Amino acid sequence: DTAVSQTPKYLVTQMGNDKSIKCEQNLGHDTMYWYKQDSKKFLKIMFSYNNKELIINETVPNRFSPKSPDKAHLNLHINSLELGDSAVYFCASSRRDTPEAFFGQGTRLTVV
Amino acid sequence: EDQVTQSPEALRLQEGESSSLNCSYTVSGLRGLFWYRQDPGKGPEFLFTLYSAGEEKEKERLKATLTKKESFLHITAPKPEDSATYLCAVENQGGSEKLVFGKGTKLTVNP
Repeated sequence: DTAVSQTPKYLVTQMGNDKSIKCEQNLGHDTMYWYKQDSKKFLKIMFSYNNKELIINETVPNRFSPKSPDKAHLNLHINSLELGDSAVYFCASSRRDTPEAFFGQGTRLTVV
Repeated sequence: EDQVTQSPEALRLQEGESSSLNCSYTVSGLRGLFWYRQDPGKGPEFLFTLYSAGEEKEKERLKATLTKKESFLHITAPKPEDSATYLCAVENQGGSEKLVFGKGTKLTVNP
C-alpha cells in the first residue's frame, strides 16, 4: 500500500537510448515532483506539476520531458541518454496547502 | 538564490551520546524549513516542518529548532537505528513549491 511508487527501481541502459520512469501516488495530492540525486547525494528539483500543469521547470536539458496523464501520475521520459544522466531520480508529491513532500523509493539510473 | 548548508558532513556518535546537526539557510522569505531522514537506497522520509523562528518540534529522540538563520536537529541519547543521512530543506515564500536541499549530514551511531 505504497503512498508514492516508482518503477523501475533500477534501470541500466546504454548511451543514446530513450527510457521512461513511472510514478504514481495514492495520497490524493495535487502536486507532484521529480528530483535528481547525484553521486554526491545532492538532491535537486527538476520539475513540479500541479493538477497536471507544469509549475516548475528547473534548468534541465530538454531531453527530459515530464508527462502527467492525471494528477495521480507523473512520468519522466528521457531521450538520448548520456553518461551524466546516471543518478537516482525521486518522485514526490504534496498537498497544495501544505508543503511537506512525500518521496518514492527512487529509481537508480545507470547509463553505460 | 536560496541556499542551504549543513554541517557536519558526517558525524559518528556512540549510542547514548547526544549531539546536534546544523542547517544554515539563506532565503529571501522562508515559507518553511524541513527535516528529512534518508536511509541508504530509500527516498527521503519526512520528519518535521518549522515555519517561524523560535518554533520547536519533537519526535522521539529528535528535536528540531529554528532561528532566523539556522535550524538545529538535536538527537538525544541516539540509538544505532537513528543512523541515516539527515537532510534539511527550505521552501521560499514566493510560492514556487520547490524544496531546496542541503547536502545532508550522515549520522552513524555505534552500539
